[in-house]
Amino acid sequence: EAGVAQSPRYKIIEKRQSVAFWCNPISGHATLYWYQQILGQGPKLLIQFQNNGVVDDSQLPKDRFSAERLKGVDSTLKIQPAKLEDSAVYLCASSLNHRTVLTYEQYFGPGTRLTVT
Amino acid sequence: GESVGLHLPTLSVQEGDNSIINCAYSNSASDYFIWYKQESGKGPQFIIDIRSNMDKRQGQRVTVLLNKTVKHLSLQIAATQPGDSAVYFCAETIIQGAQKLVFGQGTRLTINP
Repeated sequence: EAGVAQSPRYKIIEKRQSVAFWCNPISGHATLYWYQQILGQGPKLLIQFQNNGVVDDSQLPKDRFSAERLKGVDSTLKIQPAKLEDSAVYLCASSLNHRTVLTYEQYFGPGTRLTVT
Repeated sequence: GESVGLHLPTLSVQEGDNSIINCAYSNSASDYFIWYKQESGKGPQFIIDIRSNMDKRQGQRVTVLLNKTVKHLSLQIAATQPGDSAVYFCAETIIQGAQKLVFGQGTRLTINP
């Protein structure tokens, strides 16, 4: 079974520029998550999708971050404009369905390491 | 606010010894806990989970203990191997609802030969 795919793996941009990350979840997984992981810290949830609908975006800085999951499969996360404090690893995860009992396990992709200079 | 913390940021053990990684959680409503392992350059990988109606759960070489009275859980790794070197995170959630995971800061486990 293929895992969660993310691209690019690394990105370096200057502050005030924009950047986009792409995620392809495991086939059949209805729930998709974007996390931000700052160096030395645990991942922090930014946004959660169930199919193509948003379940939780309470910690997404909506003035600069946006995310979409068209057709309920792939997802993109965008930052515009980027700030220095956005430097982090952006992780995508997926799970079968957040409403079913046996699907607590989230499968993580390798992440995109973003450096804002 | 919500937070899950770890007592020790780093832990070094000899190969073959047992390791114990600790975690304190703050949300008394949390009823489900997961330990993740994260190797360098990779995303977190599920190790073992436990529900709040249990105080111990065993897997292959790993055991998770939950003490709800003091809101503490631990991960025990038996006979540590070089491949166990990684950062270990505990995470908490509430089963009902959107299953938002709250992660702790992590403990870096280093295995010495």
